[in-house]
Amino acid sequence: GENVEQHPSTLSVQEGDSAVIKCTYSDSASNYFPWYKQELGKGPQLIIDIRSNVGEKKDQRIAVTLNKTAKHFSLHITETQPEDSAVYFCAASRGGSSGSARQLTFGSGTQLTVLP
Amino acid sequence: DTAVSQTPKYLVTQMGNDKSIKCEQNLGHDTMYWYKQDSKKFLKIMFSYNNKELIINETVPNRFSPKSPDKAHLNLHINSLELGDSAVYFCASSQEVLGEQYFGPGTRLTVT
Repeated sequence: GENVEQHPSTLSVQEGDSAVIKCTYSDSASNYFPWYKQELGKGPQLIIDIRSNVGEKKDQRIAVTLNKTAKHFSLHITETQPEDSAVYFCAASRGGSSGSARQLTFGSGTQLTVLP
Repeated sequence: DTAVSQTPKYLVTQMGNDKSIKCEQNLGHDTMYWYKQDSKKFLKIMFSYNNKELIINETVPNRFSPKSPDKAHLNLHINSLELGDSAVYFCASSQEVLGEQYFGPGTRLTVT
């Protein structure tokens, strides 16, 4: 089955700096890579995702890059703000054909702290 | 306008009891999931239902039984609760073609 490793487990940055979180995956058939943000006491919230036919995707201060050859993908947050502080999870899955469901395998999470 | 909702938010019970967690989504999605998040925040899928049919059933004790009365609901019933069942349980839903999964707020289960 799929195995997703995520680094670092904790990350502290100064407000305004950039934060980068990296994940690697094992299953070369994986084709969908979402990132989730989980605030304290809440459910994971999808913030950005990328599919295997794209190398990079950007949404305002958040960007994700995918290297299929090396089987790794990264989350980049620029101009960090205190409200970016949360646990971030990467995930990977294959599938999505008719009648099936995407079985997400999650990384172990990164606790991001943005210091004011 | 809640998308994925779960009840209850907190559940404290004693070992050996039977309990249920309810989940509802109003997104019109046809696939629903149950995840377990342990004390180290590791998220692992337990079950998935597509159009009321079970399609993912990970290695979960058979004390856990999901039930989907319709596409908008997926409930989780747990028999003979054990200390190790203490965790946060998340429901999620997706539209199979697009695949993005949206999570509920979670149910924190504490077994004493």
